Amino acid sequence: AQSVTQPDIHITVSEGASLELRCNYSYGATPYLFWYVQSPGQGLQLLLKYFSGDTLVQGIKGFEAEFKRSQSSFNLRKPSVHWSDAAEYFCAVRQLGFGNEKLTFGTGTRLTIIP
Amino acid sequence: SQTIHQWPATLVQPVGSPLSLECTVEGTSNPNLYWYRQAAGRGLQLLFYSVGIGQISSEVPQNLSASRPQDRQFILSSKKLLLSDSGFYLCAWSEEGNQPQHFGDGTRLSIL
Repeated sequence: AQSVTQPDIHITVSEGASLELRCNYSYGATPYLFWYVQSPGQGLQLLLKYFSGDTLVQGIKGFEAEFKRSQSSFNLRKPSVHWSDAAEYFCAVRQLGFGNEKLTFGTGTRLTIIP
Repeated sequence: SQTIHQWPATLVQPVGSPLSLECTVEGTSNPNLYWYRQAAGRGLQLLFYSVGIGQISSEVPQNLSASRPQDRQFILSSKKLLLSDSGFYLCAWSEEGNQPQHFGDGTRLSIL
């Protein structure tokens, strides 16, 4: 069965500093990978996705992620964080099942931004 | 464009009472629909998914059920709520193929 690991439960970063959130997956086939962001009390918003092709994918809000098959990783990065980036971030891998495509989520990384 | 609506946003219910949470999607046809539960400090657990009207698959045994009476309507129900049913419930939809899931704003359910 597929799984997703986000090893960092909570990360604190200064505003303007760079950010990298880690994600490792376990999946037997070619993975479809996603990053979502969740503000407190809200639903999840898709930041970016990787299906195939270029291993560096660009997303919304200045985020990017790099797929590294050799490391089974899909880390999320941003060169300079803004206070509005404070939120919970979830990595997910898609399982192909009969008739549907189910997502397996990591447990999330909470990002705190300090002035 | 497509939109997804969930209601209510917040709900407080006594133990043993029934539950009905509704989710509707607009701007698309025959979407895949999903119900997730998010417990405090945890990730998302898939509860149910549906690939068409009347077609419901359950991922985990529990006190809840789901129904899809119309193409773009997905309902989460319970006959008798338990304390353990408290949590944040999220509905999501996706198109077939290599498409991501899109989430509603969620329902915060508190059981007293």
